[in-house]
Amino acid sequence: GDSVTQMEGPVTLSEEAFLTINCTYTATGYPSLFWYVQYPGEGLQLLLKATKADDKGSNKGFEATYRKETTSFHLEKGSVQVSDSAVYFCALTTDSWGKFQFGAGTQVVVTP
Amino acid sequence: SQTIHQWPATLVQPVGSPLSLECTVEGTSNPNLYWYRQAAGRGLQLLFYSVGIGQISSEVPQNLSASRPQDRQFILSSKKLLLSDSGFYLCAWDPVGQTEVGYEQYFGPGTRLTVT
Repeated sequence: GDSVTQMEGPVTLSEEAFLTINCTYTATGYPSLFWYVQYPGEGLQLLLKATKADDKGSNKGFEATYRKETTSFHLEKGSVQVSDSAVYFCALTTDSWGKFQFGAGTQVVVTP
Repeated sequence: SQTIHQWPATLVQPVGSPLSLECTVEGTSNPNLYWYRQAAGRGLQLLFYSVGIGQISSEVPQNLSASRPQDRQFILSSKKLLLSDSGFYLCAWDPVGQTEVGYEQYFGPGTRLTVT
């Protein structure tokens, strides 16, 4: 079945450092890929998405490129802030009505 | 605009007690609705989904149940809670009748359940 694998956390960074969170997937068909962010005590918010190969999703300084050849959707940000401290989830869906597969989540901690 | 509400925000219940968590969506009609559970330090587990009133599909057999008595209302219940039911419960929705893949799900603020 479909699955998503993310790097384990926590990832601890200093402010203004470069962030990469790896995400790889296994799917039958052609999935859409998503990154969600969860701030402490809150629900999930969509951060960015990509619906076909080579698409780049971007939002709030974060970027991820849909790489079909490597089945990956790595999340990157060039200069993190303390406010980026959160748990980040990679997800995919291949169903038209939106049944998602989520990764285990990666906690990111940014220190001043 | 659409909004999704969950309550209560926090709940502490003893083992063996009943449970009722409620989720409502405003600003849309006939959404697909989902219940997820997030155990401490772990990812999201899809529990139930519903594509219409009275239509419930279960992903994981357990002592929880779900109901959809109204178009935009989704309820998660249990007759007798277990310690393992502790976690963060998230409700989500997306538009029904999507004709292409790629629509995101929209999540509620969650309910933190502690079973003691």
